[in-house]
Amino acid sequence: EADIYQTPRYLVIGTGKKITLECSQTMGHDKMYWYQQDPGMELHLIHYSYGVNSTEKGDLSSESTVSRIRTEHFPLTLESARPSHTSQYLCASSATQGVSEKLFFGSGTQLSVL
Amino acid sequence: QKEVEQNSGPLSVPEGAIASLNCTYSDRVSQSFFWYRQYSGKSPELIMSIYSNGDKEDGRFTAQLNKASQYVSLLIRDSQPSDSATYLCAVNMKGSYIPTFGRGTSLIVHP
Repeated sequence: EADIYQTPRYLVIGTGKKITLECSQTMGHDKMYWYQQDPGMELHLIHYSYGVNSTEKGDLSSESTVSRIRTEHFPLTLESARPSHTSQYLCASSATQGVSEKLFFGSGTQLSVL
Repeated sequence: QKEVEQNSGPLSVPEGAIASLNCTYSDRVSQSFFWYRQYSGKSPELIMSIYSNGDKEDGRFTAQLNKASQYVSLLIRDSQPSDSATYLCAVNMKGSYIPTFGRGTSLIVHP
């Protein structure tokens, strides 16, 4: 079983609030990711990291930011939440398997912005 | 055209039947292909990976890859109600090590 943890599991906040979604993994993986998923839709990559002090934006334009100060920790921050940010946010880390990555997902944060 | 396409379903099969899930992809040079299972309200978990043309079997699951036709499929034999979930196809596109996910196919196995 993957050891990757996300908190909080559910979050309901008002428009304009600053929030940070936490993600930690204990597997020593270098690579970590944030995905956004709406019901019945694809997972969209919003941020990823190759390792400490390395972060990149993904395919989906996002108003969030991330940081990677420690290998095990990859928090995502929204400076000013809006209703359009309402979604499921999934954190993942990966182990290299050949030329590709095997992803392990956290349990997700369901964010609702009122 | 989406990069990774799946029929959203739902696909409904009786218990004990074979469930066949299909996925097509747009990048002809893709090399790595994955199937993830996602139960309702849960996060995805990897169940199969395949890299070469042909079949790969793991228990009741068989992944089939046909690079010439650009499709990958997942067969579930002796389907059980516990197999009811959304199955996500993921493909490494354009040399990226990060997989691109399809929308997923909802599978319902009824007793």
